[in-house]
Parts: sequence; structure tokens; C-alpha cells
Amino acid sequence: SAVISQKPSRDICQRGTSLTIQCQVDSQVTMMFWYRQQPGQSLTLIATANQGSEATYESGFVIDKFPISRPNLTFSTLTVSNMSPEDSSIYLCSVEEPWGTEAFFGQGTRLTVV
Amino acid sequence: KQEVTQIPAALSVPEGENLVLNCSFTDSAIYNLQWFRQDPGKGLTSLLLIQSSQREQTSGRLNASLDKSSGRSTLYIAASQPGDSATYLCAVRYNAGNMLTFGGGTRLMVKP
Repeated sequence: SAVISQKPSRDICQRGTSLTIQCQVDSQVTMMFWYRQQPGQSLTLIATANQGSEATYESGFVIDKFPISRPNLTFSTLTVSNMSPEDSSIYLCSVEEPWGTEAFFGQGTRLTVV
Repeated sequence: KQEVTQIPAALSVPEGENLVLNCSFTDSAIYNLQWFRQDPGKGLTSLLLIQSSQREQTSGRLNASLDKSSGRSTLYIAASQPGDSATYLCAVRYNAGNMLTFGGGTRLMVKP
């Protein structure tokens, strides 16, 4: 199983600002996934991040709002840009290695935008 | 549209009770199914993964079954404890190259 460290665990941010969330895995993985969980809802996939290429975004999510970096095979960041209260959610990173097998998640980042 | 449904949305039981959580999916041709636990405001912890060729998986007091023909999976928790209180999520992968589709979760409270 993979051990995933996600930082910060929670934050309260002012509207209009940006927050970068970090995800560190204890082993090399090909793909990393970023999810959003809005209050009382289930998980929605934001994007898939591959090392050495641009992230692939799901419908309804755009790079300008959620830029993602993937500088190496163990690390990724998700930035939530120009935040509004509607961005208040739990953001989670996940890995599956190989893709299609058991999925593992980080501890989540609980974001509140005021 | 391929969907995953979990009923009930919330469940409250006394400590020591055996219980069953349900997960339904719309397409029987799934690749695998995974059960997770989520504590409030936290990430997901993988509990059990069932491949399409399997009928059940067991881990400690947990047993997950898969019936593809009826489009259902159940998570059985034996001798429930207050520490089992959490939200339980079911996620289905419909094809090897597809992403996980999550159910809405069942919020479980086990009362002492």
C-alpha cells in the first residue's frame, strides 16, 4: 500500500487569495489524482496528474482555477486560485499503482474560504 | 450514465449489533469495487477491494460481498463498536481504464 502525506490538513483563507496543497507519496507512482468533496457530497475528480505532462482536467474544472504541478514521480501540488466561498471543500489526492488497482488517499485538506 | 447508489444515507445502531451497508451500481460489467471509510473532515481509508472475478473479501470484522448480476455489493460489519462510527463510501470502477465512480456514502453512528 502507498502512504500519502498531504499538507496542509486544513486552512481558512480569504476570498480572492490562492492556496497550494501538497501531496507526497512514499513510492514512485505514474499517476496522481486530485478530488474535491463539497460539504455533504461525495467525491468528484478534478484532474489526473502525470509526471512530465500537463494534467488532464475533468469536465467543469479548468487549469486557470486549479493549476497542478507534477515535478517528479512522488510529488504533486494543486492550487486553488482566486478563491470564493464556493471553493470551501475537502481536497484529496489519491494514487493507484498500477492504475486501475487499489486506490489510496491522503488525509485530505479541509479548506474554508471566508 | 453509470451511477453508484448507497442506501441508507445514514444509520444509527447500538454497540454490538451486526450491520449491513448496501451499494448498488447500474452496470453489471464492473472491473472492481472498493469500500472506504472516511472520518469527519478527513481523507479516505481503503477497507476492501473486490475484483470482478471475486465474490467476497474479508478483513477482520469486515466482509464485503459482490453480486454483479444484481448490481449490488454489501459491507458487513460484525459486532459494531463506537469506533466504527464514520462515513462508508463505495466506489466502482467500470472498466480497467476508467476512473472510480463514488456513491454518496452511508454515515454510520454506533452508540455506546
